[in-house]
Parts: sequence; structure tokens; C-alpha cells
Amino acid sequence: DIQMTQSPSTLSASVGDRVTITCRASQSIISDLAWYQQQPGTAPQLLIYKASNLQSGVPSRFSGSGSGTEFTLTISGLQPDDFATFYCQQYERYPYTFGQGTKLEIK
Amino acid sequence: EVQLVESGGGLVQPGGSLRLSCAASGFTISSYWMSWVRQAPGKGLEWVANIKQDGSEIHYVDSVKGRFTISRDNAKNSLFLQMNSLRAEDTAVYFCARIDRSGYTKDWGQGALVTVSS
Repeated sequence: DIQMTQSPSTLSASVGDRVTITCRASQSIISDLAWYQQQPGTAPQLLIYKASNLQSGVPSRFSGSGSGTEFTLTISGLQPDDFATFYCQQYERYPYTFGQGTKLEIK
Repeated sequence: EVQLVESGGGLVQPGGSLRLSCAASGFTISSYWMSWVRQAPGKGLEWVANIKQDGSEIHYVDSVKGRFTISRDNAKNSLFLQMNSLRAEDTAVYFCARIDRSGYTKDWGQGALVTVSS
């Protein structure tokens, strides 16, 4: 199975900050990586697909990059609604696997 | 508007069975792979199963193989998850999801809570 490792597990930041979350795959997944945001008690929402493609309706302050085994999600200019938990997921090979999550907290 | 609405969750004893349903609207499921993803209380997301448009190809996470069965009724625009031999570690919110043609999970339902406890 492909292991997905996110870092950090928790991130404290302030409104207006720029933050980066990293996701590493245990083997190459080419660019078959998605990023999701989850608010407490709600379903995840797709932010980024194919490593760097912004889902329609998602603010442009979210961006993704990377290929192979290392990927990043960057949020430029944090807004109050952005504080949530973020997950990466590889869909290159079964079983699909998620990272353990990164909780973005208000500093 | 795409909507996925899960039902059938609840409390079940270890070893018991439960069948989740997912009613889709705003699109035709016959054109898409569909999926179940779960999230144990306070934990991360875990992919459970995918099923191809015509049901001819199915994949499961190892931990549910032989116990869970994903199925679909395209005529009723519905997805199902039959869960047998349930264990405490199957306790989770189960999300129904639509898979984009490129393979990523694009749309999610609100989730159905399954609690396995005596």
C-alpha cells in the first residue's frame, strides 16, 4: 500500500499568514493527488486535484504543487474560514490512501 | 446541484449487519465510479470501497474485504454498502462519494454514523 505522510500534524497561524502543508508518498504517485478541507462535523470538500488543479469555486489563495512523491498545499493570506483540517489523498493506486491530516489552528 | 444523501446508519451489536444507502440527485450515477469513505470518531479519513459505473469492477480496503459489499442500482440512482460481521473498529461516519472521471473524490454526502457496540 502507498503510505501518505503529512506534515505538520498541527499548524498554528494567524489571519493573513501564508502557510504550507506537505504530503509525502511512500512511492511515486505521479500527480494523482487531491487535497481536501474538512470543517468539524461536516463532509470534506475538494480543494485541489491532480496535484495542482484548483477545483471550481475554491478561492485562488489555495494552491497545490508537486509530483512524484512530494506535494505541497499552500494557502496565501489565511481567512477565518480556512481554519480546519486538511487531508491529502492519492488515487494513483488501490487501495486509495489518505494522509493523517493537518489541523490548522488560529494562533 | 449534486446531492448525495446517506441513510441506514445506527447502532448495531458486534457481529451484526447493517445496510447503508446513498440516494444521488443532480447527476446520473451510471456515468460515474462511486465510493464509500469512512471516518472513525476523532480520526482521519479512510477509503473503504469503489465501484465502477456498471458494477463490473470493485475494490475494497483490506480491512473490510469479505465482510462489506458495495453495490449500486443505476435505475434508482442509488449506491449501497452492505456491512456484515461488524466490529467495534468499524464505528465511523460513512460518506458516500462521487468519483471524477480522473479518479479523485469530487463530491461527498453528509455522512451516516454507524456505531458498533454491545
